[in-house]
Amino acid sequence: NAGVTQTPKFRVLKTGQSMTLLCAQDMNHEYMYWYRQDPGMGLRLIHYSVGEGTTAKGEVPDGYNVSRLKKKQNFLLGLESAAPSQTSVYFCASSGGTGGWNQPQHFGDGTRLSIL
Amino acid sequence: AQTVTQSQPEMSVQEAETVTLSCTYDTSENNYYLFWYKQPPSRQMILVIRQEAYKQQNATENRFSVNFQKAAKSFSLKISDSQLGDTAMYFCAFLTGNTGKLIFGQGTTLQVKP
Repeated sequence: NAGVTQTPKFRVLKTGQSMTLLCAQDMNHEYMYWYRQDPGMGLRLIHYSVGEGTTAKGEVPDGYNVSRLKKKQNFLLGLESAAPSQTSVYFCASSGGTGGWNQPQHFGDGTRLSIL
Repeated sequence: AQTVTQSQPEMSVQEAETVTLSCTYDTSENNYYLFWYKQPPSRQMILVIRQEAYKQQNATENRFSVNFQKAAKSFSLKISDSQLGDTAMYFCAFLTGNTGKLIFGQGTTLQVKP
């Protein structure tokens, strides 16, 4: 019973490098989300997806891109050119099932990303 | 724009006592949902309780209950018989629109003392 799985769990990057964070869920949820959590702040929405092949911007989308491929279960978050301001903990979440968008979101364990 | 405010950055309570965490929000919507999430030191985000705005009855989940005051836009969390395992950061969150976008408060760090 994996739920939402994020890889990797930790990563250190140099400024300007690129990387992709992977989120996978096994609950057949339609809705998927990427958040970032900074010290002293709640989670802030980066991008989200309401279904296979669709994505939309959240509250803090700049510097990130996302992909929701045909495989509905995966949601990728990309950093094309990492900046120190993107040092954060990143959470993926999913929701869906009966009732759809208003169901509680299930979260992954987070990815701690440091940009030097 | 919707906002969620948690005015208590840190709180503490003795084991077995009761504590209330405050949350206020601002919205012009009529149909929405409110949540409390718990984040222990392990960093996991764990759902504590969910409230539907159209329901007047306050949600309860074992030792956790809410006081939902829709007119005042207030959504407080009461933890009864506090346990050491309740030590965590607690986030109030507002669910908006038909896309499931969650807006989080800044969080309240709760320490339960033995």
